[in-house]
Amino acid sequence: KAGVTQTPRYLIKTRGQQVTLSCSPISGHRSVSWYQQTPGQGLQFLFEYFSETQRNKGNFPGRFSGRQFSNSRSEMNVSTLELGDSALYLCASSLDSPAQETQYFGPGTRLLVL
Amino acid sequence: KQEVTQIPAALSVPEGENLVLNCSFTDSAIYNLQWFRQDPGKGLTSLLLIQSSQREQTSGRLNASLDKSSGRSTLYIAASQPGDSATYLCAASSGSARQLTFGSGTQLTVLP
Repeated sequence: KAGVTQTPRYLIKTRGQQVTLSCSPISGHRSVSWYQQTPGQGLQFLFEYFSETQRNKGNFPGRFSGRQFSNSRSEMNVSTLELGDSALYLCASSLDSPAQETQYFGPGTRLLVL
Repeated sequence: KQEVTQIPAALSVPEGENLVLNCSFTDSAIYNLQWFRQDPGKGLTSLLLIQSSQREQTSGRLNASLDKSSGRSTLYIAASQPGDSATYLCAASSGSARQLTFGSGTQLTVLP
């Protein structure tokens, strides 16, 4: 079974631009979560989607948004990029089952904002 | 608000040594606790998940324990190998089961 995939793997953008990152969960997984990882703040939760609905949201500004499609694939968008948005963005998927709560992470998208 | 702390931040041990990594959390009302490893520049690999009703989980040379009353979890690695060198992260889920709060990690180096 294929793991979580994220595209693109690397991105370079300039301040003020916007960016869209994509995540394909493990087949059968309906929950997709996004995390931001930076050297200073570590791993921080962005949001979680289930059945095309945002079920949970972290403490990030409205410039960060996401969505989930009917096939469970998810995208996140960051508008008006700032230098501080440079980070590794990780996507995780899980089964929505009490007996199977393990979150499986993708390789991440490394975003550099210049 | 859940806070997760990992001590030490870095650890260096000779090959073959048994070692323990520590994780503490402030809110004992957790849903589960997961341990991950992260290799440089890579994503996270899930190692073990302990449900709140469980006390420990084992996988190969790894054993994770959970003590909710004291707000602590430990990851025991037996007979360490150079391939175990990585950053180990613990993450607690509370409230919403799928929102993980991560510690800052322990960077482990196993010397040949």
